[in-house]
Amino acid sequence: DGGITQSPKYLFRKEGQNVTLSCEQNLNHDAMYWYRQDPGQGLRLIYYSQIVNDFQKGDIAEGYSVSREKKESFPLTVTSAQKNPTAFYLCATGDQYTEAFFGQGTRLTVV
Amino acid sequence: AQKITQTQPGMFVQEKEAVTLDCTYDTSDPSYGLFWYKQPSSGEMIFLIYQGSYDQQNATEGRYSLNFQKARKSANLVISASQLGDSAMYFCAMRGHTGRRALTFGSGTRLQVQP
Repeated sequence: DGGITQSPKYLFRKEGQNVTLSCEQNLNHDAMYWYRQDPGQGLRLIYYSQIVNDFQKGDIAEGYSVSREKKESFPLTVTSAQKNPTAFYLCATGDQYTEAFFGQGTRLTVV
Repeated sequence: AQKITQTQPGMFVQEKEAVTLDCTYDTSDPSYGLFWYKQPSSGEMIFLIYQGSYDQQNATEGRYSLNFQKARKSANLVISASQLGDSAMYFCAMRGHTGRRALTFGSGTRLQVQP
């Protein structure tokens, strides 16, 4: 089946710990995106990549890092510099003239 | 810069009635696309409908239609014959066709369909 797979579905992070969220796609899309959603709010762009080995900061990139070594994969690392990481994280892919396709999301909680 | 404004935090509608969810936008991009997504409590994002800025006709997809008024920069979603399963968060989003091509989202509207 074609689609986007995010893992894990739930993730717990201790204070000062880095964690990495996985996003894999087999839709052959060039562009991939990471969004953060806080309760009752809209989605905010963290990072995006429009081609392999290239990525740009979105609106709230501080405390996050990404890599794009393969077309299929766009992992997001939440670093200890992100002071309020508890949120719902959504990965998406798309081409220029299609809608964005979303994964099922990862709920990150700081414990 | 792009901006999406959804001024209705919450809406109620009776089952089988129609409802309009408001969306206004701002962009300097001459060419852009407008999207509506549905997010049920499970968190998944479900694509509903798309309108291109140069499309002459308003988009329709089943019970969903998009009332596009370019001069007013509005892209309202109309849901006809509401069903209980329509209860969810609804997000308006846009993407320019130049520069940064990521979607910009509004803050959403929570729709509750009452029996």
